[in-house]
Amino acid sequence: NAGVTQTPKFQVLKTGQSMTLQCAQDMNHNSMYWYRQDPGMGLRLIYYSASEGTTDKGEVPNGYNVSRLNKREFSLRLESAAPSQTSVYFCASSVTYEQFFGPGTRLTVL
Amino acid sequence: AQKITQTQPGMFVQEKEAVTLDCTYDTSDQSYGLFWYKQPSSGEMIFLIYQGSYDEQNATEGRYSLNFQKARKSANLVISASQLGDSAMYFCAMREPHRRALTFGSGTRLQVQP
Repeated sequence: NAGVTQTPKFQVLKTGQSMTLQCAQDMNHNSMYWYRQDPGMGLRLIYYSASEGTTDKGEVPNGYNVSRLNKREFSLRLESAAPSQTSVYFCASSVTYEQFFGPGTRLTVL
Repeated sequence: AQKITQTQPGMFVQEKEAVTLDCTYDTSDQSYGLFWYKQPSSGEMIFLIYQGSYDEQNATEGRYSLNFQKARKSANLVISASQLGDSAMYFCAMREPHRRALTFGSGTRLQVQP
């Protein structure tokens, strides 16, 4: 039982490049989330998915797209990366009140 | 107005002593949940404790307790008998019924000194 897994762990991009952050959970949770954490700040919600096939914008969705591929997987795509998207990205899932977080992806955009 | 306010950017505590980390929140909902997470230097988010707004008793989990004062809208985390391994960032968060996700405070960095 791996919980929530994220790939990659680290990534460096150049401005304008695209990439997809992958997230998977094996706990059969309906809800999944993408957050970003900037230095000295708490996590802020980018997108969430209440169930397979549904997604909703969070607090900071601009510059991102998401796909809830199935119940297990929820991916986050940066179509044209910008330096302002340098951050640590966390995926999480939940079934009741507790959210389980993945280990995070540290992304640097040069 | 900020939803979650943590006014202590950094705190020091001596090993084996107790420490209180402050958290105040703002919501117009009657039903909500309050959380504390620990983030060590390795970066993962570790769930510590949960308090529901209708829970009459303060939540406790081992050395962690949540001092919930509903009228004051505060949800302070108390760590008893601090250990060196408690050194980390601590985040208070809230879940409101109309928003499935959590709203986080800016965190408090706790350093436990030997």
